[in-house]
Amino acid sequence: EAGVTQSPTHLIKTRGQQVTLRCSPISGHTSVYWYQQALGLGLQFLLWYDEGEERNRGNFPPRFSGRQFPNYSSELNVNALELEDSALYLCASSLGVNQPQHFGDGTRLSIL
Amino acid sequence: GNSVTQMEGPVTLSEEAFLTINCTYTATGYPSLFWYVQYPGEGLQLLLKATKADDKGSNKGFEATYRKETTSFHLEKGSVQVSDSAVYFCALSTQGGSEKLVFGKGTKLTVNP
Repeated sequence: EAGVTQSPTHLIKTRGQQVTLRCSPISGHTSVYWYQQALGLGLQFLLWYDEGEERNRGNFPPRFSGRQFPNYSSELNVNALELEDSALYLCASSLGVNQPQHFGDGTRLSIL
Repeated sequence: GNSVTQMEGPVTLSEEAFLTINCTYTATGYPSLFWYVQYPGEGLQLLLKATKADDKGSNKGFEATYRKETTSFHLEKGSVQVSDSAVYFCALSTQGGSEKLVFGKGTKLTVNP
């Protein structure tokens, strides 16, 4: 069974630019989650999508947004990039509410 | 609010030593508890879980017991291997549809041959 896949694996951007990260969940999983793992800040919850709808959002500014497609894959968009957005962005998927989350290997975003 | 506190690392052990990584939590309601492991350059892998008090999660020789009275979920392994070197995260998920994992800061384990 293929796991959660994320693309790209690495990305370098400059301040003010926009970026889109992509995630494909495990087959059969309908929920997708996004987390940010920044140096010194640990793992922070960003967004949760289920059945195409945003269900919960972490304490991040509105320039962090995303969506989930009918095939349950998801995108995370970050506008007006700032230096502190440099981090590993992890996507996870699950079968639904109260089910364990399974993570991809992440996208490492570096802002210059 | 909900939070997870893990013992500070790094932890360095010799092969075949006994491992304990302490984890305590604060949560409203009855959370599910998890241990995740992150190997260098990779994402997180679910190591084990427990969904109610006194449940014991186990996998690959690792164990953790959900202790409601002490709000703890300590990770243990009787004999560690070099391949266990990684960062270990304790996490909780609350009921009620919030569905976000709250993580501890992680504990880096290095096992020397």
